[in-house]
Amino acid sequence: DQQVKQNSPSLSVQEGRISILNCDYTNSMFDYFLWYKKYPAEGPTFLISISSIKDKNEDGRFTVFLNKSAKHLSLHIVPSQPGDSAVYFCAASANQAGTALIFGKGTTLSVSS
Amino acid sequence: DAGVTQSPTHLIKTRGQHVTLRCSPISGHKSVSWYQQVLGQGPQFIFQYYEKEERGRGNFPDRFSARQFPNYSSELNVNALLLGDSALYLCASSKGQGGLGFTEAFFGQGTRLTVV
Repeated sequence: DQQVKQNSPSLSVQEGRISILNCDYTNSMFDYFLWYKKYPAEGPTFLISISSIKDKNEDGRFTVFLNKSAKHLSLHIVPSQPGDSAVYFCAASANQAGTALIFGKGTTLSVSS
Repeated sequence: DAGVTQSPTHLIKTRGQHVTLRCSPISGHKSVSWYQQVLGQGPQFIFQYYEKEERGRGNFPDRFSARQFPNYSSELNVNALLLGDSALYLCASSKGQGGLGFTEAFFGQGTRLTVV
């Protein structure tokens, strides 16, 4: 049973346009959500996070939206750049259970110039 | 500041052997977690240690064990290696262990383990 789902294995976007990556979760105990970016042969790099008490968090070109009632979150990248091409992982944590993260399978983003 | 460092970066072992992977967290971070990532999947949680105590364990067999040292570095041990243990093993460090003090986890570059 997959508690964190990224249903789109891949996404292609043109440079300068918006990239929207989606993530759904099933466990209502999750109260902290994170997005990581991963290049080949490297570990995941933390991008942005959001607590369940918020519905939006922004950091530069990256914005994460959380819809608790729908158990859905999304990462918006505006404007997209070729260097954003990577695998993006959504992760969730049930805070009281420690910092163990439950990851989705990832979405491969390709930004073309 | 140095990030999370893992050693070795690559390793080839034979079925049935034992392996030890090492991780040094970011300075000031007291929590270390281990993850296994197989091709096409997201990282899967194995263990979390905080202040030298195990604080969480994922759904992995007893062949997997870990420990954290007084300097907060950590080792992951896998006994009786199987072909299916071939994966990228990731270490992550964070300041806290969860609860009100939750902080983001930062990952090392990983150890690529190949079992033949």
